[in-house]
Amino acid sequence: NAGVTQTPKFQVLKTGQSMTLQCAQDMNHNSMYWYRQDPGMGLRLIYYSASEGTTDKGEVPNGYNVSRLNKREFSLRLESAAPSQTSVYFCASIALGRGKTQYFGPGTRLLVL
Amino acid sequence: ELKVEQNPLFLSMQEGKNYTIYCNYSTTSDRLYWYRQDPGKSLESLFVLLSNGAVKQEGRLMASLDTKARLSTLHITAAVHDLSATYFCAVDSGAGSYQLTFGKGTKLSVIP
Repeated sequence: NAGVTQTPKFQVLKTGQSMTLQCAQDMNHNSMYWYRQDPGMGLRLIYYSASEGTTDKGEVPNGYNVSRLNKREFSLRLESAAPSQTSVYFCASIALGRGKTQYFGPGTRLLVL
Repeated sequence: ELKVEQNPLFLSMQEGKNYTIYCNYSTTSDRLYWYRQDPGKSLESLFVLLSNGAVKQEGRLMASLDTKARLSTLHITAAVHDLSATYFCAVDSGAGSYQLTFGKGTKLSVIP
């Protein structure tokens, strides 16, 4: 199992450009998440998908959109990138069950100039 | 709004010493997680604590949960250099769908 995979690993954008971050998991997990990590801020939830076909806003959704393409894939789109969106983005997934934990992908480092 | 506070945020300790990282949270929850992150890497799950009084141990790390005090601790015993990393606690908000609120992390440096 590859676990949670993310593409690309690193991206440089100019202000106003758009891009989509891709995430896929092969663990048959129901719920998937997108976080951003900024220095000294911990991780903050952008959007999540509790199950295929549903998406909901997290703590910091402004400037982002998401698509739960199928059970495996959950993408994050920046329509018009801003320097404030420079960050490391992590995708995570979790199986159902009380004792389960979230599994994280390797991250995408995004620099917006 | 759920707030999660960790302290200290930075910790430099000598090999062989013991220390504790604290995680306080502001609203009722009975699910708390500890993760480890190495520089430039992703997050690795360490512990899942599900009830008041829960205690889990793995090697030199031991985590506990006191839901009444809204406090979790991560105790490090006889630290070694390999434990140098950033440690995060995260609390389930209870809103469903396993939404987590993270602390800012404790950067641990273990020096010889």
